[in-house]
Amino acid sequence: GEDVEQSLFLSVREGDSSVINCTYTDSSSTYLYWYKQEPGAGLQLLTYIFSNMDMKQDQRLTVLLNKKDKHLSLRIADTQTGDSAIYFCAESGNAGNMLTFGGGTRLMVKP
Amino acid sequence: DSGVTQTPKHLITATGQRVTLRCSPRSGDLSVYWYQQSLDQGLQFLIQYYNGEERAKGNILERFSAQQFPDLHSELNLSSLELGDSALYFCASSPAGQRSTEAFFGQGTRLTVV
Repeated sequence: GEDVEQSLFLSVREGDSSVINCTYTDSSSTYLYWYKQEPGAGLQLLTYIFSNMDMKQDQRLTVLLNKKDKHLSLRIADTQTGDSAIYFCAESGNAGNMLTFGGGTRLMVKP
Repeated sequence: DSGVTQTPKHLITATGQRVTLRCSPRSGDLSVYWYQQSLDQGLQFLIQYYNGEERAKGNILERFSAQQFPDLHSELNLSSLELGDSALYFCASSPAGQRSTEAFFGQGTRLTVV
């Protein structure tokens, strides 16, 4: 079945860029998503990319997709302490639009 | 605020009991999804309903069931509860049944089975 993998933890300093990586196995993935989860909160959709795109930029967020390697990354420019959260990569394959999530990457931003 | 409302926010119950979690989707959204988030399994898709009909099924136990009502709200019923059912249960909604680009999540219901 589909599998989505992420590293567990990332620590950066305030003002630096953060890059969170994700790999997936389902070559038929149509949409790839990044969600943010803050403590005690639900999942907030940050951005998504369609599988025929290589890059998408939205303010401080840049998503890069390498479809050949099935690798997705989320770059957060000028990372702030408010960006500290768990970031989930997810894909929507061909079984309807249910989401398959990675395990989440905990981003810690140090002042 | 995503517009998806889940109640209750917290639930503590004993093993063997049955609970019902409720979800009100965003206004106009026809699709409702249920996900379970636990420490050992991560975020897993349980079930999807579209306009009252079951659309897709994931890793949902037979002890669990769901339905979507004519007013589009949904309920997830968990019965014969076990300690391992303790988790955060999320509901999400989206406008269409297929290939919607966005799913909006509620705040979740934290279930603790003791």
